[in-house]
Amino acid sequence: SSELTQDPAVSVALGQTVRITCQGDSLRIYYASWYQQKPGQTPVLVIYGKNNRPSGIPDRFSGSSSGDTASLTITGAQAEDEADYYCNSRDISVKYVVFGGGTKLTVL
Amino acid sequence: QVQLVQSGAEVKKPGASVKVSCKASGYTFTSNDITWVRQASGQGLEWVGGMNPNSGNADYAQRFQGRVTMTRNTSISTAYMELSRLRSEDTAVYYCARVRHGSFGLYYYYGMDVWGQGTTVTVSS
Repeated sequence: SSELTQDPAVSVALGQTVRITCQGDSLRIYYASWYQQKPGQTPVLVIYGKNNRPSGIPDRFSGSSSGDTASLTITGAQAEDEADYYCNSRDISVKYVVFGGGTKLTVL
Repeated sequence: QVQLVQSGAEVKKPGASVKVSCKASGYTFTSNDITWVRQASGQGLEWVGGMNPNSGNADYAQRFQGRVTMTRNTSISTAYMELSRLRSEDTAVYYCARVRHGSFGLYYYYGMDVWGQGTTVTVSS
């Protein structure tokens, strides 16, 4: 199955904009879904589809895609956004599901 | 409200099997696939497999094929994941999640919009 690659760690100053990326062959035909996971908590879907936010997700979260790379952008990062972020999609065979390795976001 | 409620923590010996349940409520159980994801302590998310509750058809990650079985009981809106021949490396939190998938134009999407609370499975002699 194909893989999704994420940077292990990213940092952002409070109130600034940060982009978290996810790269993989499957992203040429799939939009990535993005999950936020805080320590000791269950993952939460924050972006799915072209750029859709489930109910309750702040509009500072947005998604985009270009070629084999998907991006999650947080515009005006808040302290509560500090978490691990995972991307996922089906793999290129459409049979299996893959996750990125996760990106630990630190808000300075 | 829409929720998935999983069964409680399990402690198993190596070589044994474990069966985790996931009870859905607040939506039509057969309308969405259910997928299972696990997470070892300090590690990332790993897909175990997924099932269509309507047909009962399931797909499993290659590394679990032959050891995992996913079933459902539609009369009680409950999905099950059974993992056999357990080893210490299977110690993890196991999550069930509801799948949301479709297409926008030429692209597809696949996401997990509702998650169970997780079930800790500990494999230890």
